Amino acid sequence: DIQMTQSPSSLSASVGDRVTITCRASQAISTYLNWYYQKPGKAPKLLIYASSNLQTGVPSRFSGGGSATDFTLTISSLQPEDSATFYCQQTYTFPWTFGQGTKVELK
Amino acid sequence: DVQLVESGGGLIQPGGSLRLSCAASGFTFSSYDMHWVRQLPGKGLEWVSGIVTAGDTYYSVSVKGRFTISRENAKNSFFLQMNSLSAEDTALYYCARVSRGLWGIGQYDFWGQGTLVTVSS
Repeated sequence: DIQMTQSPSSLSASVGDRVTITCRASQAISTYLNWYYQKPGKAPKLLIYASSNLQTGVPSRFSGGGSATDFTLTISSLQPEDSATFYCQQTYTFPWTFGQGTKVELK
Repeated sequence: DVQLVESGGGLIQPGGSLRLSCAASGFTFSSYDMHWVRQLPGKGLEWVSGIVTAGDTYYSVSVKGRFTISRENAKNSFFLQMNSLSAEDTALYYCARVSRGLWGIGQYDFWGQGTLVTVSS
């Protein structure tokens, strides 16, 4: 199975800060990498697909990049509503696997 | 609007069986691969099983041989038959639609709200 490792596991930042989350795959996955966010008690929602493509309706402060084994999710200016847990996911091969999640909190 | 609604969760004793359902609406169900994803209490997301439009099925190692995924396109629904349940299967089970855009890369563009399965004596 392809292991997905996110870092950090959690972070605390202020409104307006630039935040970057990294995701590393245990083997090359091209750009078969998606990002989701999840708020407590809610289902996950798609944020970015195919490494760098913003899902419809997602604010432009979110961006993604990377290929092969190393990927990033960046929030250019953190907003209060961004408090959530973020997950990366590879869909290169079954079993599709998720990172362990990064919890983002506002200071 | 696209909607996915899970049902069938509940409290079940170890060794028991449950059948989860996911009712889809708002899109051409037969044209999409569909998956089940679970979330253990307070934990992250774990892919469980998937079924493609042609009917091929895929399972995680942890459920293979115990769970069976199926779909009924005429009823816009798909299912997860779960047998030989153990405490480790206790989780919130989500159904999700697979969208394939650029270069056929798959992602979950819609999720249900989840149905809770609790395995306990």
